[in-house]
Amino acid sequence: NAGVTQTPKFRVLKTGQSMTLLCAQDMNHEYMYWYRQDPGMGLRLIHYSVGEGTTAKGEVPDGYNVSRLKKQNFLLGLESAAPSQTSVYFCASRYGTGGIYEQYFGPGTRLTVT
Amino acid sequence: QQQVKQSPQSLIVQKGGISIINCAYENTAFDYFPWYQQFPGKGPALLIAIRPDVSEKKEGRFTISFNKSAKQFSLHIMDSQPGDSATYFCAAAALIGPRQLTFGSGTQLTVLP
Repeated sequence: NAGVTQTPKFRVLKTGQSMTLLCAQDMNHEYMYWYRQDPGMGLRLIHYSVGEGTTAKGEVPDGYNVSRLKKQNFLLGLESAAPSQTSVYFCASRYGTGGIYEQYFGPGTRLTVT
Repeated sequence: QQQVKQSPQSLIVQKGGISIINCAYENTAFDYFPWYQQFPGKGPALLIAIRPDVSEKKEGRFTISFNKSAKQFSLHIMDSQPGDSATYFCAAAALIGPRQLTFGSGTQLTVLP
């Protein structure tokens, strides 16, 4: 199993450009999450999904959109990138039932907006 | 508003020493407290977790101590090794609803050989 994979690993954008980050998991997990990691601030939840076709806002959703058209994929979109969105983005997934709460993280995408 | 406060921000320990990282939370609905370990260039990975029905959980050299009345929990790494050098995050989640994790700000641990 590949676990949680993220594409791309690195990206540089100019202010105003758009892009989509792809997260894929092969563990048949129900829940998927997008976080951003900034120095001294830990990981902050952007959006999450509790199942195919459903999404919800997290702590810092402004400037981002998400979609979960297939259970194994969770896409994070930036419609008009801003320098404040320079960060490392992590996707995570977990089971939805069975009392298992562990989140499995991908390797991250390092995004720089100039 | 930071709901999980973590300290210290950085920690340097000699090989064989004890590393202690502390966290405090505010939300009394939190009912699950994991610690994640992150190496440079990697995603976080679950290290150990505790529910508030016990005051301590030990897995190998790693121990979580939990004080429900004080709303505090801590990670103890016994016999710290250079391979333990990483960033450690505490987190908390409520076991109702979508159960999203709220993370602390992280502690960068360096274990000197």
